[in-house]
Amino acid sequence: GESVGLHLPTLSVQEGDNSIINCAYSNSASDYFIWYKQESGKGPQFIIDIRSNMDKRQGQRVTVLLNKTVKHLSLQIAATQPGDSAVYFCAENILANAGGTSYGKLTFGQGTILTVHP
Amino acid sequence: DGGITQSPKYLFRKEGQNVTLSCEQNLNHDAMYWYRQDPGQGLRLIYYSQIVNDFQKGDIAEGYSVSREKKESFPLTVTSAQKNPTAFYLCASSFYWGTPLNTEAFFGQGTRLTVV
Repeated sequence: GESVGLHLPTLSVQEGDNSIINCAYSNSASDYFIWYKQESGKGPQFIIDIRSNMDKRQGQRVTVLLNKTVKHLSLQIAATQPGDSAVYFCAENILANAGGTSYGKLTFGQGTILTVHP
Repeated sequence: DGGITQSPKYLFRKEGQNVTLSCEQNLNHDAMYWYRQDPGQGLRLIYYSQIVNDFQKGDIAEGYSVSREKKESFPLTVTSAQKNPTAFYLCASSFYWGTPLNTEAFFGQGTRLTVV
């Protein structure tokens, strides 16, 4: 869901463990999903994306799972490292229409603070 | 190098003043976005633009204004009507294909606005 003045949930893990960050999205018509990583004082950086015609996609040390039935998205980070400590956001692309033209609107979820302990 | 640039990095505003935050991209992206982020919170959409000379209000547009006269530029004005403007402002851009073939948005490094 989208953040409206709420404080972010946190996840603490030990270095070397696997991390799972979850995100519930709101719109069943969303066709494209993205995970971003944001380090303190910086803009979000792209990690991995997935389209609605897929249920799993793997990158380097990261896997995104999409469950459209329950509108749930997850990011799995393997062998988590201290450098992975950051805020992680999911984003959904909602297709909208105006004046006969379709366009996408990118909406962010609440975000999760990941802390990795050495 | 292609990218998206926000300026200034830090901005101080006196109460009652309007200020304009700059956002420029040379990625040839059609879509541009402005988000606000408060400490320890998520991103909230202020305005977005899919093409030149067109923009739409996001979820928290009150007290803000934008223009999109050029594809590369999407400046945000924080007006005196915005009651609590102190925040971190993020600009982003992405390709727009007019179909469900959108791609990820690229973000600038943000502008931290403080009211003094």
